[in-house]
Amino acid sequence: EAQVTQNPRYLITVTGKKLTVTCSQNMNHEYMSWYRQDPGLGLRQIYYSMNVEVTDKGDVPEGYKVSRKEKRNFPLILESPSPNQTSLYFCASSLGSSPGGEGPQHFGDGTRLSIL
Amino acid sequence: KQEVTQIPAALSVPEGENLVLNCSFTDSAIYNLQWFRQDPGKGLTSLLLIQSSQREQTSGRLNASLDKSSGRSTLYIAASQPGDSATYLCVGRDSARQLTFGSGTQLTVLP
Repeated sequence: EAQVTQNPRYLITVTGKKLTVTCSQNMNHEYMSWYRQDPGLGLRQIYYSMNVEVTDKGDVPEGYKVSRKEKRNFPLILESPSPNQTSLYFCASSLGSSPGGEGPQHFGDGTRLSIL
Repeated sequence: KQEVTQIPAALSVPEGENLVLNCSFTDSAIYNLQWFRQDPGKGLTSLLLIQSSQREQTSGRLNASLDKSSGRSTLYIAASQPGDSATYLCVGRDSARQLTFGSGTQLTVLP
C-alpha cells in the first residue's frame, strides 16, 4: 500500500532534549516536505526537499533541521526543542513529474509533539 | 507570494443538501490545486487534484473546478451526508513546487 509513514505519532518531551521525527514514503517520490499545523495559523511549511541531498527552507525553518540521504526518508530534527514547537506535524511527498503534470501530495497521519 | 483564501470558514447544512465550498488564489500561474479533507486530529486525505491545464475533476459525489483567470476553485459536494463532516482544505502549488494552504472550511452535515 502506497503511504507516508511518520513516527512517532505522539511525543511528550522536555525543553532541550533532542528529538527526531521520522518520515518514510514507499512511492519513490522525489519531493518531500514537512509542515506544522497550529490553530488559527493553518499549515506552514518548515522544510522541503526536491530530491536526495537537496533541501530548502520553507516558511518557518527556525529551530529545525532535516536531511535527505535516501530518497524514501526525510527526518525532521529538533536539536533543542522549545515549547513554541509544540504542534501537529505532517510529512508529505509527491512524484516530481508525471504525464499531465505533477502528482498529488500524499500526507502522513501526523505527529503530535508536546514540548514541556 | 501566493495567497489562498477559503470562504466560508464554517458551514452547517442539513443532510441531503448540495453544497459548494469556495477557494480563491492570488497567483494565476498556479501549477495545480488540490482539495483535501481533514478529520479532527487526523491527517489530510486527498480528494481531488486539478492540474493547471484542466477545468474540473470529478470523483463520486465530489466535483472540483478550477478557473485560473478568476483565481477561483470550487468544491461541489452532492447529496451531503453526516460522514462528509470535516475540514476541507484547498492547496495551491506554484511552479517552484511551493504549496500554499487555505485556512479551511469546517463543514458540519446535520442528520
